[in-house]
Amino acid sequence: GENVEQHPSTLSVQEGDSAVIKCTYSDSASNYFPWYKQELGKRPQLIIDIRSNVGEKKDQRIAVTLNKTAKHFSLHITETQPEDSAVYFCAASKGDSGYSTLTFGKGTMLLVSP
Amino acid sequence: DVKVTQSSRYLVKRTGEKVFLECVQDMDHENMFWYRQDPGLGLRLIYFSYDVKMKEKGDIPEGYSVSREKKERFSLILESASTNQTSMYLCASSTLGGKGNTIYFGEGSWLTVV
Repeated sequence: GENVEQHPSTLSVQEGDSAVIKCTYSDSASNYFPWYKQELGKRPQLIIDIRSNVGEKKDQRIAVTLNKTAKHFSLHITETQPEDSAVYFCAASKGDSGYSTLTFGKGTMLLVSP
Repeated sequence: DVKVTQSSRYLVKRTGEKVFLECVQDMDHENMFWYRQDPGLGLRLIYFSYDVKMKEKGDIPEGYSVSREKKERFSLILESASTNQTSMYLCASSTLGGKGNTIYFGEGSWLTVV
């Protein structure tokens, strides 16, 4: 089955800095890669996703890049703010299948200090 | 707005008790999932269901069972709770195909087994 590795497990940055979280996946058939943000005591929520036919996607201060050859994808957050502090999960799945499941990384705790 | 509701947010049960965790979604989603979240281990899939009365094992099904009698409701059952099942349990749902496999999570149920 799919295996998703995520690094780093914790990341501390100063407000205004950039943060990068990296994930690798094992199944070359995976084609859908979402990122979830989980604030303390709350549910994980989708913040951005990318499909294998796209190399990069941006949404304001958040971007995700995908390298299919190397089987890795990354989340980039620019101009970090204290409200970006949360646990971030990457995931992978074969999105064409109606009931294929997401395999998650173990999460990265991002702490943004004022 | 997708709503996935887990009826019990915090539970304390004794070892050997039978435990029911209930989840309801209001978006007519075909797929429903139960994940377990533990620090440092990320989100691990216990069971999922892609249709009424259908169920599939995830990565860690041992000690759990599920029930899906109606499309909107997916129950997780711990037949005989053990202390190593103390965890946060997250229910989720997604539509079939469409936007890949974006899944929507409930708020989570914190279970402590003593």
